[in-house]
Amino acid sequence: DTEVTQTPKHLVMGMTNKKSLKCEQHMGHRAMYWYKQKAKKPPELMFVYSYEKLSINESVPSRFSPECPNSSLLNLHLHALQPEDSALYLCASSQGTSGISEQFFGPGTRLTVL
Amino acid sequence: AQSVAQPEDQVNVAEGNPLTVKCTYSVSGNPYLFWYVQYPNRGLQFLLKYITGDNLVKGSYGFEAEFNKSQTSFHLKKPSALVSDSALYFCAVSQLSGNTPLVFGKGTRLSVIA
Repeated sequence: DTEVTQTPKHLVMGMTNKKSLKCEQHMGHRAMYWYKQKAKKPPELMFVYSYEKLSINESVPSRFSPECPNSSLLNLHLHALQPEDSALYLCASSQGTSGISEQFFGPGTRLTVL
Repeated sequence: AQSVAQPEDQVNVAEGNPLTVKCTYSVSGNPYLFWYVQYPNRGLQFLLKYITGDNLVKGSYGFEAEFNKSQTSFHLKKPSALVSDSALYFCAVSQLSGNTPLVFGKGTRLSVIA
């Protein structure tokens, strides 16, 4: 299985809502990532988990809260988001974070904040 | 700090003609270079990577890239373009011990015209 899955595909939420994005991989990868991507722009790294521990937080606002329950799952909890947070949220995984391994990306969750 | 430049926002090529998408990089040590492709409303798909060894790297869907250390370039090429190659292409760089696992270029939109 060489696939990264993400749910939901689309999400519309109000600024007072709490929601979660989910990501799953069964490739035995030990590094998992959250990216935010605006239209026609490159992905921007948000968080990196290595061996289920948060290793990089790219100064992301606290209204985004990542969680890695186990080596196959990655969640992104959303609370009190702003309209400018509307974007495609991509999850990725790789064998490690050494820089050599390519990342496998999920199809993304298209988030709209009203 | 590592960086990647993709000098062209858009590349247009006729179907059946060769295509080149340009990428130059800047790192302080040895680079690990990657190409990804993104189709509309999808995640990124890994095409190929250069880590070490042969400067010509072959990847998925008939794509190849040539690592040129003196010109700090890693241009993506394909001998004969297909309409289905039309997509957004990202070059990315990482290093063995960098704090940021992967740094992306801004992307180049490739349009293959029938």
